[in-house]
Amino acid sequence: QQQVKQSPQSLIVQKGGISIINCAYENTAFDYFPWYQQFPGKGPALLIAIRPDVSEKKEGRFTISFNKSAKQFSLHIMDSQPGDSATYFCAATYESNDYKLSFGAGTTVTVRA
Amino acid sequence: DSGVTQTPKHLITATGQRVTLRCSPRSGDLSVYWYQQSLDQGLQFLIQYYNGEERAKGNILERFSAQQFPDLHSELNLSSLELGDSALYFCASSVGRGDSYGYTFGSGTRLTVV
Repeated sequence: QQQVKQSPQSLIVQKGGISIINCAYENTAFDYFPWYQQFPGKGPALLIAIRPDVSEKKEGRFTISFNKSAKQFSLHIMDSQPGDSATYFCAATYESNDYKLSFGAGTTVTVRA
Repeated sequence: DSGVTQTPKHLITATGQRVTLRCSPRSGDLSVYWYQQSLDQGLQFLIQYYNGEERAKGNILERFSAQQFPDLHSELNLSSLELGDSALYFCASSVGRGDSYGYTFGSGTRLTVV
């Protein structure tokens, strides 16, 4: 049972465009929501994360938007670059669970030059 | 290089066999987590060890077992292998029992069961 639902499964964006990936969860115990980036042949790497006490977090071209009441959060990749082509996973976890991660199914992003 | 070392990188074996995957965590990290990544199930948590003790189990089959040794490296043992066990197996490590700033993943072991 997927505790975190992620969409779309894949997306293609032109260089300079905006990529948007959406995630939704049900477990209100979740209190930490990281995003991981995975390149082929590599393990997932932490990209950016947010806690539910803020509605938005921005790091460079990557922004997380968080809607606690809707139990949804999303990743926006601004000015997408070919080097951003990767698979992105949203995840959710909480402290009393030792921060074990529940991952979304992943979104493969392809940025066309 | 993430600092988490997994060996081997690739493994091809026959159904019914047993294999051992090895993970060395980042220096100073006490927790080791094992995850399985397959096309149909995505990234699934298998098991966690903290400082040599099993801390939590996830969706780990009874045919699978793991341990963490005194030097903190961990091994994941997969036995009576089936075709469906073919997947990427990732190890991750963190400093404490759980790290709110995220884990560090290794590059994985790709297991192919034929």
